[in-house]
Amino acid sequence: AQTVTQSQPEMSVQEAETVTLSCTYDTSESNYYLFWYKQPPSRQMILVIRQEAYKQQNATENRFSVNFQKAAKSFSLKISDSQLGDTAMYFCASSNSGYALNFGKGTSLLVTP
Amino acid sequence: DTGVSQDPRHKITKRGQNVTFRCDPISEHNRLYWYRQTLGQGPEFLTYFQNEAQLEKSRLLSDRFSAERPKGSFSTLEIQRTEQGDSAMYLCASDLGTGRNEKLFFGSGTQLSVL
Repeated sequence: AQTVTQSQPEMSVQEAETVTLSCTYDTSESNYYLFWYKQPPSRQMILVIRQEAYKQQNATENRFSVNFQKAAKSFSLKISDSQLGDTAMYFCASSNSGYALNFGKGTSLLVTP
Repeated sequence: DTGVSQDPRHKITKRGQNVTFRCDPISEHNRLYWYRQTLGQGPEFLTYFQNEAQLEKSRLLSDRFSAERPKGSFSTLEIQRTEQGDSAMYLCASDLGTGRNEKLFFGSGTQLSVL
């Protein structure tokens, strides 16, 4: 079974600081996709960043960037210049051979003033 | 783009009753997905449709669960003879369906409580 592991259930960061959320995954696929989704309190889940495994370059989206280590099966998310609106659950996910995603248990991030 | 909408937002039912949820995806989206999320867990895949065809079902989708997307637009998820273990947030998502593992757009979910 393919699994996604997020080892940090909760994290806290001060506004304007940088925080890194960790994720490891296990897959037997040769071509796959990795994602970080954000779920704010009582709001819809939204995509933060998407990485295609065959692309060596780490994906970035404004203040969000990933450190993709394919050999280590690691896919961490770095949030720079943290803002109060970044407070949310963050889920790491990987694709399987089809179109379904396997999600981790999530990391609850709290950004404090 | 009005987003993915789900109805109802909350459903409380007694064990043994049947419930049905509805999902309206973004209008031009061809693929529609159902996920289930329990407290403290990430979403778990249940099933997905490409237009009206149901192409993949998870082993989580027992015989008591059935999903349809009759005209390739909205979808319904029915749970028969509900059990307390069915209590969860049921999430619907959609994507354009032109490539693999595209950006998913999620609805706000239907929170089911089985008493």
